[in-house]
Amino acid sequence: GQQVMQIPQYQHVQEGEDFTTYCNSSTTLSNIQWYKQRPGGHPVFLIQLVKSGEVKKQKRLTFQFGEAKKNSSLHITATQTTDVGTYFCAGENTGNQFYFGTGTSLTVIP
Amino acid sequence: SQTIHQWPATLVQPVGSPLSLECTVEGTSNPNLYWYRQAAGRGLQLLFYSVGIGQISSEVPQNLSASRPQDRQFILSSKKLLLSDSGFYLCAWNRGLVFGELFFGEGSRLTVL
Repeated sequence: GQQVMQIPQYQHVQEGEDFTTYCNSSTTLSNIQWYKQRPGGHPVFLIQLVKSGEVKKQKRLTFQFGEAKKNSSLHITATQTTDVGTYFCAGENTGNQFYFGTGTSLTVIP
Repeated sequence: SQTIHQWPATLVQPVGSPLSLECTVEGTSNPNLYWYRQAAGRGLQLLFYSVGIGQISSEVPQNLSASRPQDRQFILSSKKLLLSDSGFYLCAWNRGLVFGELFFGEGSRLTVL
């Protein structure tokens, strides 16, 4: 079946440092979405990327979709304690099925 | 506005007992519905998805089953729980459009003892 891998699994950063998580799919994706899950909570949608090579920004967050539509990244500039949580990518195939990555758990040390 | 309700929020069940988790969506019609499971510290595993009443697709072989008796109701069941069924179960929906974001319920935390 379809596999979506993320690295790293865990990341500890000092507040103010940057953070990046990478997502790789075994198959070409129709689009990719990113979600954030706070500890004890449920995933919340952040953004969706559709076009090959697409880059989108949300304040300190930058999202990229690879040219081959098989990989993606999320970069956070100058992390804050409110960024704590697990970040998931989710690849969608043509059948409305979403396959989530393994997630990257971010800890921000004040 | 659309809302999704999932219950119960927490349950502890003995091995071999049955399970029923329920999810309902309000404020929309003909949504796609999904059940995911998240093991402790792990990612989300797609269990079932449904594009309409009575239409269920399963992603992994397991002792769980799903049903969609009404347009906006999705039920996850088991006749006999296993220890490995413990986890955080999340129901989600989207509008069924191409490239539609998922909206998640609050989740049901199941512990099988």
